Amino acid sequence: KAGVTQTPRYLIKTRGQQVTLSCSPISGHRSVSWYQQTPGQGLQFLFEYFSETQRNKGNFPGRFSGRQFSNSRSEMNVSTLELGDSALYLCASSLVGGENEKLFFGSGTQLSVL
Amino acid sequence: GNSVTQMEGPVTLSEEAFLTINCTYTATGYPSLFWYVQYPGEGLQLLLKATKADDKGSNKGFEATYRKETTSFHLEKGSVQVSDSAVYFCALTSTNSGYSTLTFGKGTMLLVSP
Repeated sequence: KAGVTQTPRYLIKTRGQQVTLSCSPISGHRSVSWYQQTPGQGLQFLFEYFSETQRNKGNFPGRFSGRQFSNSRSEMNVSTLELGDSALYLCASSLVGGENEKLFFGSGTQLSVL
Repeated sequence: GNSVTQMEGPVTLSEEAFLTINCTYTATGYPSLFWYVQYPGEGLQLLLKATKADDKGSNKGFEATYRKETTSFHLEKGSVQVSDSAVYFCALTSTNSGYSTLTFGKGTMLLVSP
């Protein structure tokens, strides 16, 4: 069974640009969550999608958005990039997103904003 | 709000030494508690979990006991190996959120030397 797949693995962008990251969950998983990991702030929750609907959202500005498709694949978009957006973006999937469910994480997309 | 506090790293040990990584939490409701591990260049993997007070989670020689009275979930291993070198994250979900929204500690790096 394939794991959670995130593409691309690395991205370099400049300030003001926008970026789209992709996540393919484990087959059969319908809940997809996104996290931002930085050395200073650690891991912070961005949002969670289930059946194409955003169920939960973390404390990030509106420049951060996401969506989920009918096949459960998810994308997140960051517009008007800032230097502080440089981070490892992790996607995680689970069956239905229950609170005791095991989350399966991808290897992440490392975004560098210059 | 929910929060998780972990001891700062890095923790440097020799092979076969005893490991303790401290974790305390603040949460509303009745959280489930988790330890995740991140190996270099990879995403997070669930190491163990406990869903109610006095539960002990265990996996691969690691153990942690859910202590409600001290709001703690310390990670222990009796004899560490070089292959245990990684970053360890303590995390929680709470019944208030209901979904797979994890609040993470900032992580503790473990370095094990031969």
